[in-house]
Amino acid sequence: SQELEQSPQSLIVQEGKNLTINCTSSKTLYGLYWYKQKYGEGLIFLMMLQKGGEEKSHEKITAKLDEKKQQSSLHITASQPSHAGIYLCGADRRITQGGSEKLVFGKGTKLTVNP
Amino acid sequence: DAEITQSPRHKITETGRQVTLACHQTWNHNNMFWYRQDLGHGLRLIHYSYGVQDTNKGEVSDGYSVSRSNTEDLPLTLESAASSQTSVYFCASSYNPGQGPTEAFFGQGTRLTVV
Repeated sequence: SQELEQSPQSLIVQEGKNLTINCTSSKTLYGLYWYKQKYGEGLIFLMMLQKGGEEKSHEKITAKLDEKKQQSSLHITASQPSHAGIYLCGADRRITQGGSEKLVFGKGTKLTVNP
Repeated sequence: DAEITQSPRHKITETGRQVTLACHQTWNHNNMFWYRQDLGHGLRLIHYSYGVQDTNKGEVSDGYSVSRSNTEDLPLTLESAASSQTSVYFCASSYNPGQGPTEAFFGQGTRLTVV
């Protein structure tokens, strides 16, 4: 079974609309990452969340971590065509807090923003 | 500037041939990872390494091998290429000081086609 479940799998929105992408983990989270990928390209790091309740923003993208629920959400305000792409959440799967990390990812959410 | 590079970017090979994909990073990161990305499956971890002479199997390691003879390189070898290994392969690296999760940097990917 998938360790990280993302929803929705795909999303089509009109330019200017707000949207939210969710990521739920089946295991304890030591760190949660959000990446963006353009078709045919590598992954671009967006944000990393480590502590429960932590919230980070970059331009019009905000990510939150609910550690108790083992969930994270990515919210885009006033979406633009430049936001289109695949958004992937990744989790730091380490056995102990000080141990080495193993990064696993969800299947991704494909975002289309129509002008 | 430090970077992570993959080569080749595109490769077509025949079933049964041995293929090696290169990954080179100049950040002096101790962690390195290999993923494959397929439609409907997202990014799946193939192998990873925490340092020189250390290698570990990921969730889809069958048919693949890696070796880590120095800090900078983690080549991925397909011992006998199969059509099921047609995919886009991504290499990543991160630095783990043992004090919490850190950002992973990704290469641009290698598109491998096995015919």
